[in-house]
Amino acid sequence: ETGVTQTPRHLVMGMTNKKSLKCEQHLGHNAMYWYKQSAKKPLELMFVYSLEERVENNSVPSRFSPECPNSSHLFLHLHTLQPEDSALYLCASSQVLFEAETQYFGPGTRLLVL
Amino acid sequence: GENVEQHPSTLSVQEGDSAVIKCTYSDSASNYFPWYKQELGKGPQLIIDIRSNVGEKKDQRIAVTLNKTAKHFSLHITETQPEDSAVYFCAALDSWGKLQFGAGTQVVVTP
Repeated sequence: ETGVTQTPRHLVMGMTNKKSLKCEQHLGHNAMYWYKQSAKKPLELMFVYSLEERVENNSVPSRFSPECPNSSHLFLHLHTLQPEDSALYLCASSQVLFEAETQYFGPGTRLLVL
Repeated sequence: GENVEQHPSTLSVQEGDSAVIKCTYSDSASNYFPWYKQELGKGPQLIIDIRSNVGEKKDQRIAVTLNKTAKHFSLHITETQPEDSAVYFCAALDSWGKLQFGAGTQVVVTP
């Protein structure tokens, strides 16, 4: 596997479910990011990790809980989501924190909350 | 904070014609402006970028121009081909080192 991979690619969940999104980067990068992409809106930065330490939490509701066990893996735990949380969730990584030139995106997880 | 506006939201062009997407930004301290292409089922991919110390950059059929005074930058695609059909995003690096994105342009190239 190369680049940034995300699983699952598609997810349908009810508002009472608990699920997790997984991201893995194979680039040896030190920073990882979660973005939310909604139709016809700019990408929204949700969480940022650098060397497994969370450095950014952009006022994201607590029903989204990130986890970064090591510099290659990033999770987004989902709990009691709302229909408006339906979106494409993109993971990205960069060589160092906020180094835009080396930021690579994964293919995303398409989430539908019913 | 930085605010990036992108126009148009959709763009339909005939194969072989040129496509132009325009973005404006608000933070005069922004100094790095990447463009991303997102194909169906994939994440955004960096296709070209420009720094504030140059006014234009070209890579084969794509080019980006930057007007620092007016705070706008544009993506130009010449001799469009069906494989250019995708969503294109502009972005600007804000004072905090974070990328602020435009809302995207859906480009459709018709044969």
